[in-house]
Amino acid sequence: QSALTQPASVSGSPGQSITISCTGTSNNVGNYNLVSWYQQHPGKAPKLIIYEVIKRPSGVSNRFSGSKSGNTASLTISGLQAEDEADYHCCSHVGNSIFRLFGGGTKLTVL
Amino acid sequence: QVQLQESGPGLVKPSETLSLSCTVSGGSVSSENDYWSWIRQPPGKGLEWIGYIYYSGSTHYNPSLKSRVTISVDTSKNQFSLKLSSVTAADTAVYYCARETIISGGVTRGFDYWGQGTLVTVSS
Repeated sequence: QSALTQPASVSGSPGQSITISCTGTSNNVGNYNLVSWYQQHPGKAPKLIIYEVIKRPSGVSNRFSGSKSGNTASLTISGLQAEDEADYHCCSHVGNSIFRLFGGGTKLTVL
Repeated sequence: QVQLQESGPGLVKPSETLSLSCTVSGGSVSSENDYWSWIRQPPGKGLEWIGYIYYSGSTHYNPSLKSRVTISVDTSKNQFSLKLSSVTAADTAVYYCARETIISGGVTRGFDYWGQGTLVTVSS
């Protein structure tokens, strides 16, 4: 399967809100409430920030929120901070929840 | 605190087999509650799921890599391993091992613990 579709880059100023989309098909994003999001700073391993579309792991800021509509999942970051500048990756279950499929990643720049 | 650590050669010749291990501490590869995965990231690109193994030895692989991939587990060492055969330059990537916690049935909590990653370069 082709990777989930994410914008290559997004940007925002400190204090603003941004949204990153993750578009798939009815065979992945649209069929499961099992989308997760990861934050990755340069040279570091990804960090889980959202799972099951809307849930945040313990310790993750409530400035991060997730949602889904149809075949598109979204990550919203409110009150942008300089430390939010990173790459963001979405991931969905596929095929009876057996396989996993990532998006191409989105680079967030905080202006 | 669960920790994962990848180990293995950083340079592999074309057509040979890439072999990596992931040592788990603070958790157990024998846990019924977890899947143990391999994920890779080519330089400057996105993440690609390679596959996972369950404590029972059951495995599932990315269909695009299935013919070349083997993931195995060694409970005595609390490790799981990746073998990728017939490698080419396109297999050059940072390889991560990661844990995925099972909530119930096919529902998981995402990849909640990751190793630091190890760069494997395919070159003669």
